[in-house]
Amino acid sequence: GAVVSQHPSRVICKSGTSVKIECRSLDFQATTMFWYRQFPKQSLMLMATSNEGSKATYEQGVEKDKFLINHASLTLSTLTVTSAHPEDSSFYICSARGPQNWAFFGQGTRLTVV
Amino acid sequence: AQRVTQPEKLLSVFKGAPVELKCNYSYSGSPELFWYVQYSRQRLQLLLRHISRESIKGFTADLNKGETSFHLKKPFAQEEDSAMYYCALSGSNYQLIWGAGTKLIIKP
Repeated sequence: GAVVSQHPSRVICKSGTSVKIECRSLDFQATTMFWYRQFPKQSLMLMATSNEGSKATYEQGVEKDKFLINHASLTLSTLTVTSAHPEDSSFYICSARGPQNWAFFGQGTRLTVV
Repeated sequence: AQRVTQPEKLLSVFKGAPVELKCNYSYSGSPELFWYVQYSRQRLQLLLRHISRESIKGFTADLNKGETSFHLKKPFAQEEDSAMYYCALSGSNYQLIWGAGTKLIIKP
């Protein structure tokens, strides 16, 4: 089946620094990828829709200058958390629309800002 | 408004007992419904899609348009079914609208 690889799986960074998370579709091309944030014991919250070759579409309340999304190729989208603060600590998950338009998910990235 | 509701945050049943995870939706149009499962320490993965009308790992789900429901069922629960289950609806631009999730615990 289709595989989405997300890297890193876990990252700890200092407050004020930036962190980049990569999401790759390994065996299919994904014109659209989605970035989610998952708080403990809560459902997935869609942050933004990443479209290859164009600007990402952000959900209401998500700061686009803080969460930079780049979808430069059909197999790679990146999420950069800029000037991270402890409140940005969370579990970030990407998904890509793959064969038959099903959503396939990366394994997630646990971000801890100290 | 487009919405997916999973009324139970936690469902605990004994091994061998029937399981039903509830999902109701609100959507104007023809929805496409999914069930996703997340086992401990693993990624989210697709379990069922209503269009395919198949049974995966013994689970089935029928779309009831009259009741706007897509409940997930299994006649005999197994311990390995313990996981987090999410009901989702495919909206415009193929974005998924998610339910809050139900944690299923199967007791031995």
